Amino acid sequence: QQQVKQSPQSLIVQKGGIPIINCAYENTAFDYFPWYQQFPGKGPALLIAIRPDVSEKKEGRFTISFNKSAKQFSLHIMDSQPGDSATYFCAAYLGSGTYKYIFGTGTRLKVLA
Amino acid sequence: DTGVSQNPRHKITKRGQNVTFRCDPISEHNRLYWYRQTLGQGPEFLTYFQNEAQLEKSRLLSDRFSAERPKGSFSTLEIQRTEQGDSAMYLCASSLLAEAFFGQGTRLTVV
Repeated sequence: QQQVKQSPQSLIVQKGGIPIINCAYENTAFDYFPWYQQFPGKGPALLIAIRPDVSEKKEGRFTISFNKSAKQFSLHIMDSQPGDSATYFCAAYLGSGTYKYIFGTGTRLKVLA
Repeated sequence: DTGVSQNPRHKITKRGQNVTFRCDPISEHNRLYWYRQTLGQGPEFLTYFQNEAQLEKSRLLSDRFSAERPKGSFSTLEIQRTEQGDSAMYLCASSLLAEAFFGQGTRLTVV
């Protein structure tokens, strides 16, 4: 019930394409869902986040879509660039009780020039 | 730079030695987390502090691992009698509310 399932494991798109990464969770007590971007040898960097009372959030080229009833959320990267090539992690956060983040297993994205 | 700072960035140690890592969180953040990340995996929760109190510890953390956060500021993570299976990236994160910010991590290699 504490798991966050992420797919796909890896993704290759052409420059300008729209990669979509999906995550699913079980625990309805999660109340905050961030996405992190990680480059090799670096720590994860917070990219964008959403709360379950919102169905969509956009920040620049990054959009989160959230489906509360299906317990799923996804990251869309518009007009993807080679510099977006990185590993992306979704996470779910319990804002009461444990205050900890549960991470998905990551999606390695490669954007071809 | 007011981000989360971790030291050292890299540590190579012989099996059986003790190692200690340090994390300096963003100054006003009262919550501090330690995570472990192995190659190709997402970060796994190890432990969490609110101010100086260690409020949760993962079952992943054997008794060889100990973490402290004296005075609710910086934190240290110590691993005693290191094993090859301890080789990983150790990540520290801090938060005030829901947004957590990670440091660059400490890459531990046990040889």
